[in-house]
This record gives sequence, structure tokens and C-alpha cells, in this order.
Amino acid sequence: QVQLQESGPGLVKPSETLSLTCTVSGGSVNSGSYYWNWIRQSPGKGLEWIGYIYRSGSTNYNPSLKSRVTMSVDTSKNQFSLKLSSVTAADTAVYYCARMYSSFLEYWGQGALVTVST
Amino acid sequence: EIVLTQSPGTLSLSPGERATLSCRASQSISSSYLGWYQQKPGQAPRLLIYDASSRATGIPDRFSGSGSGTDFTLIISRLEPEDYAVYYCQEYGSSPTLTFGGGTKVEIK
Repeated sequence: QVQLQESGPGLVKPSETLSLTCTVSGGSVNSGSYYWNWIRQSPGKGLEWIGYIYRSGSTNYNPSLKSRVTMSVDTSKNQFSLKLSSVTAADTAVYYCARMYSSFLEYWGQGALVTVST
Repeated sequence: EIVLTQSPGTLSLSPGERATLSCRASQSISSSYLGWYQQKPGQAPRLLIYDASSRATGIPDRFSGSGSGTDFTLIISRLEPEDYAVYYCQEYGSSPTLTFGGGTKVEIK
């Protein structure tokens, strides 16, 4: 069974860079036709797709966040990562990582709450 | 970018009743690109339906999806206590951007 787990600081200061890592178990980031995604959900709000990375390193970002997002994949550690720069309070959210196959997000991590505050 | 509009925002129903949730796309999309998710408080979303009408692994058959073009529907035939949650539709494939609808909350009446 594929499992994903987000990790990273739960508190980030405004204007700094948010960094999260997703560790995959029960499967490999370096196999199959899977796309590795990040999605976020602000408190009490809906879901917002941030983007995805493929095992080759190719990426696709949400245009609304593209200028601040960087994703990477580390096949040796079976992980992929998210960096979001110049954060503000509006970036406070639960951040989820998820595996996509054929347009659908079939496996999700449990989510990591990141608060942007001084 | 495809915009998905879900209605109603909230559905108040009793256990055993039928729930009908709507998802309307801003332009015609392939049914192969439309999915539905369930999210309970404090949990990650769970894939229910893919390709507009196919149930994901382990999803009970009281959940069914249908639709084509711009109008898609999720039906829960008989609400069970564990079905009270927020439901999202999602599209990816018609444009480079993956989008979610705003969600429909199914609450106990």
C-alpha cells in the first residue's frame, strides 16, 4: 500500500521560504507513470492545487503560484519537495502531497499545517 | 483554465435519503478528466470516482457518478452516517492546470 508523509517546519516567518518534503513508502517516485503533487487548503476553505513534478524532474505549476514555487524530486531518498518563497499570512494552510495517476489523485498524505506568522 | 462550480453549497439530508451533488464546468470537458473526492474533518481527501463514473477501489456502490460535457453529478443513493462530509469535483486534462470545485457539504438534517 502506497503511503505519503509530509514533513517540515510548522511555522514560517513572513517573507521567508516554506519548505516541505513528502516521503513515499510502498512505492517508488522513480517508477510508473505517476505525477507527484502538492495541494493546499487554507483554514475552512477549499482545495488549491500547487503543482506537480514527474520523476524526470519536469514540473507543472499553478499559474497563480508559479513565480514562487519550486519542486524537486530525490529518487535516492524516495522523496519529493516543495519550496514556496516570499510567504505571507495568505499562505497559511494545510499542505498535502499526493500521487496522481491518469488525472486523479489516488493517494494522499495526511497533511501538514504550515502557519505563516512572526 | 477550467472553472468548476459545485452546487448546492450545503445539502441537509437525513440518513437513508438520496443525495444529488452537481458539478458544472465552464467549458465542455472529457469525462475521462473528471473525478470526485470526499473529505471528512481533519482528514485528507479521498478519491471516490474517476473518469466521471468509475468507482475507486473500495468505494461502496451507493456512490455513483454520471455526466458529460459540462454537467456532472455525484449521487449517494442512501446516506450512511459516515457519508456526511464535504465533496469536491476535480478536473485535469483539458488544460495544464488541475482545478477543484468549491465543494458541497453534506450535513445531517
